[in-house]
Amino acid sequence: GESVGLHLPTLSVQEGDNSIINCAYSNSASDYFIWYKQESGKGPQFIIDIRSNMDKRQGQRVTVLLNKTVKHLSLQIAATQPGDSAVYFCAGLGGSGGGADGLTFGKGTHLIIQP
Amino acid sequence: DSGVTQTPKHLITATGQRVTLRCSPRSGDLSVYWYQQSLDQGLQFLIQYYNGEERAKGNILERFSAQQFPDLHSELNLSSLELGDSALYFCASSVGGGLQPQHFGDGTRLSIL
Repeated sequence: GESVGLHLPTLSVQEGDNSIINCAYSNSASDYFIWYKQESGKGPQFIIDIRSNMDKRQGQRVTVLLNKTVKHLSLQIAATQPGDSAVYFCAGLGGSGGGADGLTFGKGTHLIIQP
Repeated sequence: DSGVTQTPKHLITATGQRVTLRCSPRSGDLSVYWYQQSLDQGLQFLIQYYNGEERAKGNILERFSAQQFPDLHSELNLSSLELGDSALYFCASSVGGGLQPQHFGDGTRLSIL
């Protein structure tokens, strides 16, 4: 089955710097990935998604990179702001915990912004 | 605001009881998903409905059930509650299914005393 895991539980960056959050997955058949941001007391908020036929996708201040060879994806946040402080999850479609369209989530990385 | 509405926000009950959580999907979304978030298990997929029909099951206990109504709102029923059922329960919706973003509500926090 698939597991979607994160390399680091906590990431601390200076305001204005770029942040990179990493995620590894085990199911090579996964064909869709989503990054979510979760703030305290809120539900996961969609940030950006990527399909397995792509290597890179850009949004506003965010970029997701997918490396299928090593089964790794990353979320890059440019010019990190205090409002970016949150827990970030990667999620993949398919895997041991999901059937059909159920997402399998990683454990999450807590992004802390230093002033 | 994701457009997904969940009620109630908080629920406190006792072991052995039964509760119903409610979810209204975003306008136009046909798929509804239920997830459980706990400190030890993280976010786990429970069940999916598409246009009123059950489409997929994840790690859902037999004590739990769900349904989606003709107006597309969904309910998650949890019965014979145990202390370990204390968690955040999230509903998400998407336009259809498959390779589409799932948008989450702000959840129901269930506390079992």
